[in-house]
Amino acid sequence: QITLRESGPTLVRPTQTLTLTCTFSGFSLSTAGVGVAWIRQPPGKALEWLAFIYWDDDKRYSPSLKSRLTITKDTSKNQVVLTMTNMDPADTATYFCSHRGPEGHTSFDYWGQGTLVTVSS
Amino acid sequence: SYVLTQPPSVSVAPGETAKITCGGNNIGSKSVHWYQQRPGQAPVLVIYFDSDRPSGIPERFSGSNSGNTATLTISRVEAGDEADFYCQVWDTSSDPRGIIFGGGTKLTVL
Repeated sequence: QITLRESGPTLVRPTQTLTLTCTFSGFSLSTAGVGVAWIRQPPGKALEWLAFIYWDDDKRYSPSLKSRLTITKDTSKNQVVLTMTNMDPADTATYFCSHRGPEGHTSFDYWGQGTLVTVSS
Repeated sequence: SYVLTQPPSVSVAPGETAKITCGGNNIGSKSVHWYQQRPGQAPVLVIYFDSDRPSGIPERFSGSNSGNTATLTISRVEAGDEADFYCQVWDTSSDPRGIIFGGGTKLTVL
């Protein structure tokens, strides 16, 4: 059974750096074809993809946020970490991590419950 | 960059059929996925690869994709289907590339 859980600060000050951790079980990020994404959702708004990391450490970023994002993985700990620099109140959102479906799939079949991050001074 | 357009809202009476559209340039050439998100919950994949259903998703949920429009169809709508629905593609052809979500459609069961 695949599960994912996001963790990190609930409150971040403007200009600070946000670090979120996705801890997962039920799969390994060292298995060919596996990938994990970070997706966010501002209150009352739509889903927005942020970053994606493949089993082979290849990475993809949202073009509009690429300069502020870094995604890494720790295979031994079953974790994926997202850092976002220079946080702004507009970055207030629920942040989700999700598992990409089997190799060749382009959908996300398992999601964490999300963590709400508020950016405020 | 590639854009997916959804109607903000769709309303349907219980027992009727709901159709939620997702528009995009030549979207028929891409694989479209659909998610249901109930208030306060994480999204749930309900349709992948245009028309496939994950295990546990009722047969009432179906999908199609052709030309410039993909459609999620929910037959015999129930009160419990009320939620926000999002379409998604993984665009590898346009520049810049990436994972794209539609703006979401709120399904209201009257």
